[in-house]
Amino acid sequence: GAGVSQSPSNKVTEKGKDVELRCDPISGHTALYWYRQSLGQGLEFLIYFQGNSAPDKSGLPSDRFSAERTGGSVSTLTIQRTQQEDSAVYLCASSSAGQVNTEAFFGQGTRLTVV
Amino acid sequence: KQEVTQIPAALSVPEGENLVLNCSFTDSAIYNLQWFRQDPGKGLTSLLLIQSSQREQTSGRLNASLDKSSGRSTLYIAASQPGDSATYLCAVNSSYKLIFGSGTRLLVRP
Repeated sequence: GAGVSQSPSNKVTEKGKDVELRCDPISGHTALYWYRQSLGQGLEFLIYFQGNSAPDKSGLPSDRFSAERTGGSVSTLTIQRTQQEDSAVYLCASSSAGQVNTEAFFGQGTRLTVV
Repeated sequence: KQEVTQIPAALSVPEGENLVLNCSFTDSAIYNLQWFRQDPGKGLTSLLLIQSSQREQTSGRLNASLDKSSGRSTLYIAASQPGDSATYLCAVNSSYKLIFGSGTRLLVRP
């Protein structure tokens, strides 16, 4: 596609349920990032993928959070047993293969509300 | 640990004014710095990318400068318009991930 695509755009879930958020990066981009933006807060790094591997998962807040990437393309962020503090906008970004000087492009985000 | 600070946190100006947004970072060992715009309820739109070896980049009415040694970047917006109203974020790439400032919320009044 022309840009980074995220789905769903909005998700309302009940506390305790599991959710999956999807990110489809720009074609050919091997670097993929997940960030979280809570209400009134800055962007918080969650995880970084290079290809299918995740060399840095240091930003995942707890073991309820996990992410995978298959085929060097689509990534899924899974939150198990959701809590109200998980409510936030989850943003995905991608950039070109392995070059640290390249530009990152963001999707429109998934707004997660846990009720 | 890299920390990024943006000042001011909010800015309100009349249409037509030139303005400067500031970004500072604590570790000068960066690969690049990127400025983004975020409209309410939307994702981030990339505005300008400055490589560590560059001093400035220009796109239309926007000009971004980088002084790596002092840990500073500025985003200059010329002849501001109401459509420029948004939150502006700077992000520093110290390795492979972007570290963001908390943003400057800009309102351009007609």
